[in-house]
Amino acid sequence: ILNVEQSPQSLHVQEGDSTNFTCSFPSSNFYALHWYRWETAKSPEALFVMTLNGDEKKKGRISATLNTKEGYSYLYIKGSQPEDSATYLCAFYNQGGKLIFGQGTELSVKP
Amino acid sequence: NAGVTQTPKFQVLKTGQSMTLQCAQDMNHEYMSWYRQDPGMGLRLIHYSVGAGITDQGEVPNGYNVSRSTTEDFPLRLLSAAPSQTSVYFCASSPGLAGTNEQFFGPGTRLTVL
Repeated sequence: ILNVEQSPQSLHVQEGDSTNFTCSFPSSNFYALHWYRWETAKSPEALFVMTLNGDEKKKGRISATLNTKEGYSYLYIKGSQPEDSATYLCAFYNQGGKLIFGQGTELSVKP
Repeated sequence: NAGVTQTPKFQVLKTGQSMTLQCAQDMNHEYMSWYRQDPGMGLRLIHYSVGAGITDQGEVPNGYNVSRSTTEDFPLRLLSAAPSQTSVYFCASSPGLAGTNEQFFGPGTRLTVL
């Protein structure tokens, strides 16, 4: 059983705050780590796909880092805006063909 | 491109009924998968396919069947619906392997089993 854990489960911040969340995954047989953004009543949309230890990806105010040896990835949002409110999902792939998702971190940004 | 399409959007079944959730993609993606979304549990993988004619089980396959006769279509069959299968179902696809390629998700099917 592949265990993908995300923390915290939910987060409430004020507009302008910077925030980060964690995704933990098995460090053995690592192949790729995905991050998705999921707005209410919509479908998940990909943010990043990361494959290399030490990888850092950035899209606007959102960035992610990857540590495959210790089995974690961080997602950072700089200067949160109300439109960043969503559930952020990570997913782990280990060459077995299965992409396994964590339970998500629900972010709420208050104006 | 229409992307990933799912039908129906909503469905209500009675316990014991069977039905098929349809999923199609027009991007010539090799990898397709079905997930269910339940409150507090993220997305759980039901079945997946790495190409036409090839399917495999995910984390929660019991009560569901799939087939992949064409690259475009990946239907999910509920054999005998149970209230525990009340959920939102998402189909996803990606080019090549799921590992290094982002998943494209359909709009979801909300299923209620009474």
